[in-house]
Amino acid sequence: EVQLVESGGGLVQPGGSLRLSCADSGLFFSSYEMHWVRQATGKGLEWVSGIGTAGDAYYAGYLKGRFTTSRENAKNSLYLQMNSLRVGDTAVYYCARAPGRYGAFDMWGQGTMVTVSS
Amino acid sequence: QSALTQPPSVSGSPGQSVTISCTGTSSDVGGYNYVSWFQQHPGKAPKLMIYEVSKRPSGVPDRFSGSKSGNTASLTVSGLQAEDEAVYYCSSSAGSNNRVFGGGTKLTVL
Repeated sequence: EVQLVESGGGLVQPGGSLRLSCADSGLFFSSYEMHWVRQATGKGLEWVSGIGTAGDAYYAGYLKGRFTTSRENAKNSLYLQMNSLRVGDTAVYYCARAPGRYGAFDMWGQGTMVTVSS
Repeated sequence: QSALTQPPSVSGSPGQSVTISCTGTSSDVGGYNYVSWFQQHPGKAPKLMIYEVSKRPSGVPDRFSGSKSGNTASLTVSGLQAEDEAVYYCSSSAGSNNRVFGGGTKLTVL
């Protein structure tokens, strides 16, 4: 069964950086739009970023350029480079795939926890 | 982009039906037929239950149905079962480069 597996989460100080990865074990990774969605503990889901099949990334307005999403289709992998991290970025980060620019998130990873704290 | 508005909680007894609303604007829910609904159990990843307003992915029971009128989408769960107890989130496209979620609704099966 196709699975998405995130990695790279951990504890980082405010102002620090972290790079998350998402590995897709399926055969058609390059055909899907990919997204990052986060969820603070006890809170709702919040869309972070998406990336098209050709690598065109787009972001939620609140990020103000701090995060960068990229993908490496040859490695079936998605990445999220997070810079200038804030306490408010603390959350579980999920990767999710979507069949097309408007497609629904039809598969999710298990999530990786990012904690920003001094 | 503001979050879509959902009621914090709904409840129903086994066998009954409940409806969860999701209100947005003409820039998201009202402007696109790309509303999705997700079910999330504690400690688990979200699961897609409805896409494109009213379509069900393979494996999702037909007790789950979706609809939309104007800027408000709705998820109806019929024939409530204990395992339906979860948090439900709506989501909508808000343009080709933007997505938005609702705040989530806790469904309690009494």
